[in-house]
Amino acid sequence: QSVLTQPPSASGTPGQRVTISCSGSSSNIGNNYVFWYQQLPGTAPKLLIYRSNQRPSGVPDRFSGSKSGTSASLAISGLRSEDEADYYCTAWDDSLSDYVFGTGTKVTVL
Amino acid sequence: QVHLQQSGPGLVKPSQTLSLTCAISGDSVSSSSAAWNWIRQSPSRGLEWLGRTYYRSKWYNNYAVSVKSRININPDTSKNQFSLQLTSVTPEDTAVYYCVRYSYGSDAFDHWGQGTLVTVSS
Repeated sequence: QSVLTQPPSASGTPGQRVTISCSGSSSNIGNNYVFWYQQLPGTAPKLLIYRSNQRPSGVPDRFSGSKSGTSASLAISGLRSEDEADYYCTAWDDSLSDYVFGTGTKVTVL
Repeated sequence: QVHLQQSGPGLVKPSQTLSLTCAISGDSVSSSSAAWNWIRQSPSRGLEWLGRTYYRSKWYNNYAVSVKSRININPDTSKNQFSLQLTSVTPEDTAVYYCVRYSYGSDAFDHWGQGTLVTVSS
């Protein structure tokens, strides 16, 4: 179930910076790490950000994550055509004892 | 390199049991620094965590409240794999199912299987 709220879409031209928000509550984002995933059409999600602001090896530094209170953000700088994808946030929820996911944001490169 | 390979039928009849298997290479289902999960994705429900199994001196399972009465996730150490069984399925269970490793080194779902589209239909 999608407990975390994201905007349905975001867009930008090549080279621009795009930011995606993820809004939760004190039981999930407010008290736990946030992860971000990129999903290209027809493929499994790929880890982009872990521990709210860490990048796995191989993920370009154009991707960055941050967290403040019960919200988190993913920023994509220097937008490229290959960044067109769906992006999801997720976190553990202490009240549900469950991992909760965001509603997803489709990024379009104009 | 960790690789998860899923197998199982893509069509299940209503009221029957959905069964999928995830074979692990590059890690161990008994690893003390990982947990082995099933996550599904559908247009109506989005991404949904179903449950996990992990080993910490003994085996543990945790399940999502939404499926707790119908789900079993079992490790198979002899084949280094784990499985999902979801009973009494309905068309609402139609989704792409993923097996996923959660690494406690990175605190993240870091490796995903290829996904299996399971359709519940008569």
